[in-house]
Amino acid sequence: QKEVEQDPGPLSVPEGAIVSLNCTYSNSAFQYFMWYRQYSRKGPELLMYTYSSGNKEDGRFTAQVDKSSKYISLFIRDSQPSDSATYLCAMSLGSQGGSEKLVFGKGTKLTVNP
Amino acid sequence: GAVVSQHPSWVICKSGTSVKIECRSLDFQATTMFWYRQFPKQSLMLMATSNEGSKATYEQGVEKDKFLINHASLTLSTLTVTSAHPEDSSFYICSAISGVVYFGPGTRLTVT
Repeated sequence: QKEVEQDPGPLSVPEGAIVSLNCTYSNSAFQYFMWYRQYSRKGPELLMYTYSSGNKEDGRFTAQVDKSSKYISLFIRDSQPSDSATYLCAMSLGSQGGSEKLVFGKGTKLTVNP
Repeated sequence: GAVVSQHPSWVICKSGTSVKIECRSLDFQATTMFWYRQFPKQSLMLMATSNEGSKATYEQGVEKDKFLINHASLTLSTLTVTSAHPEDSSFYICSAISGVVYFGPGTRLTVT
C-alpha cells in the first residue's frame, strides 16, 4: 500500500461545477496536509495548508482533513477554466509549519470546460 | 508567497555530458532545500535534501555520485547531473522552506 493514494482522474467538469478532490493515506503520524496546483510544465503552487483535522476555507477553495479516516479533500466552488490543472495532495510529519519532507499523491488532472 | 527560482528552465544535452541546475530562494534564506524529479504523468519523487554548509541527504535508490548537490549559500543550491543518459531526462524541481514549502518552476532536462 502506498503512503498516499490519489485518484489520477482525469476529471472533466463544466464551468461553475463544484469539484471534489480526495486523497487517502496510511501513515497516521502525518500532521500537515497541503494541496498544490500544478500547471503543465510548471512547478507546484501551494493552494491550501492545513494542520491536523478540520476545515479551512480560502475563497472558492475549501480543504478538509479527517484524520480518523485518514482522508483529505479539496473542494473547488464555482470552478473556472483557469482552474484546469493537476492537483497534488501532500502531507508531512513536520513540526514547523508543514516543512521538511513532503509525501505526494500522484495528482488528479482536472479540466474545467467553458 | 515566497519565491524560488530555477535556472535553466529547459536544457538539452548529449549523453555523457554533465548538466548543472541552480535553485535560488529570492526573498528569503533557506538552510534546507529539496530536489525532486517528476516523470510524465507521475508525481514528484524526492531525490535529496540539500543542507547549507553540509552534505546532502539522498533518498534510497538515488545515486549520490551521479546527482551531485552543493548548497554553498543560504540562497543557492545546485544539482549537477553527471554523465547524463537518456533515462535521466525528466522534470527536476527544487523547493525551499519559508514557513511552508515553496517550489521552483522546474527545469526540463532532455538527454539525447
